[in-house]
Amino acid sequence: ELKVEQNPLFLSMQEGKNYTIYCNYSTTSDRLYWYRQDPGKSLESLFVLLSNGAVKQEGRLMASLDTKARLSTLHITAAVHDLSATYFCAAHDTGTASKLTFGTGTRLQVTL
Amino acid sequence: KAGVTQTPRYLIKTRGQQVTLSCSPISGHRSVSWYQQTPGQGLQFLFEYFSETQRNKGNFPGRFSGRQFSNSRSEMNVSTLELGDSALYLCASSLGLLAVEAFFGQGTRLTVV
Repeated sequence: ELKVEQNPLFLSMQEGKNYTIYCNYSTTSDRLYWYRQDPGKSLESLFVLLSNGAVKQEGRLMASLDTKARLSTLHITAAVHDLSATYFCAAHDTGTASKLTFGTGTRLQVTL
Repeated sequence: KAGVTQTPRYLIKTRGQQVTLSCSPISGHRSVSWYQQTPGQGLQFLFEYFSETQRNKGNFPGRFSGRQFSNSRSEMNVSTLELGDSALYLCASSLGLLAVEAFFGQGTRLTVV
């Protein structure tokens, strides 16, 4: 059974600082997703990573995938308040059509 | 183009009642998945549908059921509601079985009292 572990659960960052969120998954997966969720809102797709060594960047966020280590990271560069949200990683359950197994989420709070 | 539409956005139901939630996927998308989000359990997979067929079901009791229509719209039903069913129910839409992108609707917030 595919399991996804994400850490930290909560992250308080100062504006301008860098930090990384880690996502480990237990069995082989062919797709790794990162989503953002604002309070009371739905999930906004950030990145989809498909292959070993994949790296994608959008603004201050960069995601990478190491399929051998079954690890994905979401790196935040020079955090700004607008990045405050909960971030989820999710792995596609290979062998299913579209089932995603989610991590617990990381609540990011960026302070001045 | 229009996104994934879930109705209603909010619902309050009493224990023992049943409820039906609706999800209209993005035009042209044929795969719909449902997830339950609670503070305690996080995001959990309920079921996925493609071409009116349930492809997978998560670890939920039989009170949770769903279906997909020929126009790809999907409904999920929860019977004999319990307090623990209070959650945000999200549906995700994708093109098909091998589609990479999955887009989520705004969700239905169900409160059971």
